[in-house]
Amino acid sequence: DARVTQTPRHKVTEMGQEVTMRCQPILGHNTVFWYRQTMMQGLELLAYFRNRAPLDDSGMPKDRFSAEMPDATLATLKIQPSEPRDSAVYFCASGLGKMSETQYFGPGTRLLVL
Amino acid sequence: QKEVEQNSGPLSVPEGAIASLNCTYSDRGSQSFFWYRQYSGKSPELIMSIYSNGDKEDGRFTAQLNKASQYVSLLIRDSQPSDSATYLCAGASSGSARQLTFGSGTQLTVLP
Repeated sequence: DARVTQTPRHKVTEMGQEVTMRCQPILGHNTVFWYRQTMMQGLELLAYFRNRAPLDDSGMPKDRFSAEMPDATLATLKIQPSEPRDSAVYFCASGLGKMSETQYFGPGTRLLVL
Repeated sequence: QKEVEQNSGPLSVPEGAIASLNCTYSDRGSQSFFWYRQYSGKSPELIMSIYSNGDKEDGRFTAQLNKASQYVSLLIRDSQPSDSATYLCAGASSGSARQLTFGSGTQLTVLP
């Protein structure tokens, strides 16, 4: 059963600390998306990659967030330094080729910044 | 203003009834639309996609698309308590980026 996996599932940290979230897309999927979900803003696209190349990161605060895809099986989202307003659930999703708008979501990382 | 708008609800229907969820979008170039179901504390799960005007049926679910009216809907027939969840409507952008814009979701409760 192919699934997107994410680690960690939960993270509690203090303001100012670095947070790294990891995602393993479905094997063979070449497009990876990072989303953030909050009650107030809903589901927002932060960044996405196709064939490991970043295509759009306009939804991401550039000063503290960075996203990379060091290889086809790993995508990372890093926040440095973290702030309480970053508290949210971060989802990774993957898709394939021309139909990459058909996206499959991972279980999410629930982040709480104190 | 969000590009994809949904009635935020909450929407309550009795078990066995038809639940109707609605969505409008502003990008006339959007070609494909998706309905995701999200249970509390879980991730969104794709349940329907629709690309052409008209209806598309899959089991108890029917998606409807009207591009002229920029309107998408999801009908759930014979609603079950297990259908209680938040339903997210999403549209794919018209450019080559193929990224999704999500609505804020409609919370559905099916009452036993």
